[in-house]
Amino acid sequence: GENVEQHPSTLSVQEGDSAVIKCTYSDSASNYFPWYKQELGKRPQLIIDIRSNVGEKKDQRIAVTLNKTAKHFSLHITETQPEDSAVYFCAASRRTGRRALTFGSGTRLQVQP
Amino acid sequence: DSGVTQTPKHLITATGQRVTLRCSPRSGDLSVYWYQQSLDQGLQFLIQYYNGEERAKGNILERFSAQQFPDLHSELNLSSLELGDSALYFCASSVDGTGRYEQFFGPGTRLTVL
Repeated sequence: GENVEQHPSTLSVQEGDSAVIKCTYSDSASNYFPWYKQELGKRPQLIIDIRSNVGEKKDQRIAVTLNKTAKHFSLHITETQPEDSAVYFCAASRRTGRRALTFGSGTRLQVQP
Repeated sequence: DSGVTQTPKHLITATGQRVTLRCSPRSGDLSVYWYQQSLDQGLQFLIQYYNGEERAKGNILERFSAQQFPDLHSELNLSSLELGDSALYFCASSVDGTGRYEQFFGPGTRLTVL
């Protein structure tokens, strides 16, 4: 089955700096890669996703890049703010057949004011 | 607010007991996924239902079962509970149609087994 590895497990940045979180996946049939933000005790919230026919996608301060050949994808947050502090999860799934998400282990991002 | 609802928010019970968790998907979504989040195992897929039928199974124990009803709400039944079943249980719903893959999570049910 699919295996998703996520690094780093914790990340501390100064407000205004950029943050990058990286994930690798094992199943070459995976072609949908969402990112979720989870605040303490709350639900995972979808913040951005990318499909395998696209190399990069941006939404304001958030961008995701995908390298299908190397089987890795990354989340980039620019101009970080204290409210970006949370746990971020990457995930992978297929767009046909089994669509259940396989999650990475999460990255705790701390933005220092 | 994702539009997905889950009840109850919290559940405290004893080992050996049985509980039922309920999930109502977003209007128009046909798929319900159940995930378990624990400190040592992270977020793990348990089971998926699509329009009333089981579609996929993940790491779901034999003591656990689920169903999806005609109105598309879903229930996850956990029986013979053990201490290790304490976790956050999320459901997520999705349209699961062509070009529509996003899964939206409910607020979760925190289960504590004493």
